[in-house]
Amino acid sequence: NAGVTQTPKFRVLKTGQSMTLLCAQDMNHEYMYWYRQDPGMGLRLIHYSVGEGTTAKGEVPDGYNVSRLKKQNFLLGLESAAPSQTSVYFCASSYLPADTEAFFGQGTRLTVV
Amino acid sequence: SQQGEEDPQALSIQEGENATMNCSYKTSINNLQWYRQNSGRGLVHLILIRSNEREKHSGRLRVTLDTSKKSSSLLITASRAADTASYFCATDAGAGRRALTFGSGTRLQVQP
Repeated sequence: NAGVTQTPKFRVLKTGQSMTLLCAQDMNHEYMYWYRQDPGMGLRLIHYSVGEGTTAKGEVPDGYNVSRLKKQNFLLGLESAAPSQTSVYFCASSYLPADTEAFFGQGTRLTVV
Repeated sequence: SQQGEEDPQALSIQEGENATMNCSYKTSINNLQWYRQNSGRGLVHLILIRSNEREKHSGRLRVTLDTSKKSSSLLITASRAADTASYFCATDAGAGRRALTFGSGTRLQVQP
């Protein structure tokens, strides 16, 4: 009953460093999403995927890249981290696009100094 | 831009009281969902209401939807301290209806 698992849970980066956030789901969902949550702003969509091998831009994609080489995994990459990318990142998956409940991971708290 | 906006931003009540949160959205929707987020945790789905429904119940939760006013409300009856969390509405208006768009949330504090 793992659901959606995100790694790591916490990370501190220096400006300019790179890192990859991993999201794994065991529910055989086609749709996967990356959101960021900032204080007072709710969740904003970064990138999403409608199936293995596909990705698309969301509302705030700049500075991020994604890959979905396997159906169960959705990776979010930061090539050159900036302080503005300090945030809590959430991965989610769903069976249908926005028409059924989404399942969320526990989040990754990223601080860029 | 965010599709849903919750009101109030923060709400503090006593245990046993009812809590009402409102959500307004901008564009047409097929469905609207409510999620709860405990501090430091991920979001958990509470309830989904479709555009052809006006009211839906789940345990102590009651959700209404008024598509003519583009608004929804979430009522939690007989609140408990464990209901303390942030509550978000989400619509299916994101990414060409392929993703949820979230509001900024209501922080609910239930005092024991």
